[in-house]
Amino acid sequence: AQSVTQLDSHVSVSEGTPVLLRCNYSSSYSPSLFWYVQHPNKGLQLLLKYTSAATLVKGINGFEAEFKKSETSFHLTKPSAHMSDAAEYFCVVSYTGRRALTFGSGTRLQVQP
Amino acid sequence: DVKVTQSSRYLVKRTGEKVFLECVQDMDHENMFWYRQDPGLGLRLIYFSYDVKMKEKGDIPEGYSVSREKKERFSLILESASTNQTSMYLCASSPGLAGGTETQYFGPGTRLLVL
Repeated sequence: AQSVTQLDSHVSVSEGTPVLLRCNYSSSYSPSLFWYVQHPNKGLQLLLKYTSAATLVKGINGFEAEFKKSETSFHLTKPSAHMSDAAEYFCVVSYTGRRALTFGSGTRLQVQP
Repeated sequence: DVKVTQSSRYLVKRTGEKVFLECVQDMDHENMFWYRQDPGLGLRLIYFSYDVKMKEKGDIPEGYSVSREKKERFSLILESASTNQTSMYLCASSPGLAGGTETQYFGPGTRLLVL
C-alpha cells in the first residue's frame, strides 16, 4: 500500500531563515507527489506537484521541492521564511490510474518574528 | 477559478441524528471526494465518486454513506451520528482526466461537533 511519512509534526523557524519540511514516501510504482498548504480557517491549497517531469519542482510563494528516487524523499524548502508562511503543510502521494490521494499527517510550521 | 463550496462551516448535532453535509463544485469536474481531518492523522478518504450515481469506498467508510445525483453535488450522510464522528470534513473535486496526477480542489471544510 502506498504511504507517506512527514518526519516532523512541528517545525519552528525565525523569519528570514530557511525552511525545510521533510517527507518520505513508500515506493511501489511511479508516484505523483504533492505539497498542499492549509492556513488557519482556510481550505487546502496546492503548493506544488511532481508528476515525473523535472525532479526539482517550483511552487507558489517561493517554495520548491526535490524528488529524490534513491532516497524516496520529496522535501519542501524555502530559502527565507515569511510570517505569512505559518500554516500546516501536507505531503501527498498518488499513483497513475488511482484517483484518490494519500495524505501525510501534516507538519505545522511556526514562524517566529 | 475552481470553486468548491460546502453548505455549513460549523454544525452541532446530537448523537443518533442523521446528518447531511453538502458539497457543490462549479467546474464540471468528474471526481468528487469526502475526507475527514483529525489532528495528527492528516486527511483520510471516506468516499469518492467518479461519475453521477457512482461511488467507491475510501479508507474509512464505516458509519458514512454518500449520494451523487447531479454532477456538481456530492453529499456525505452520517446515518446515525456518533461522538467519534466529531471532526473537520473536507470536500474536494478534480477534473477526472488524468487519474492520480490531478490536482484536487478543496472546499473550506465543515467542522462537525456531535454531542
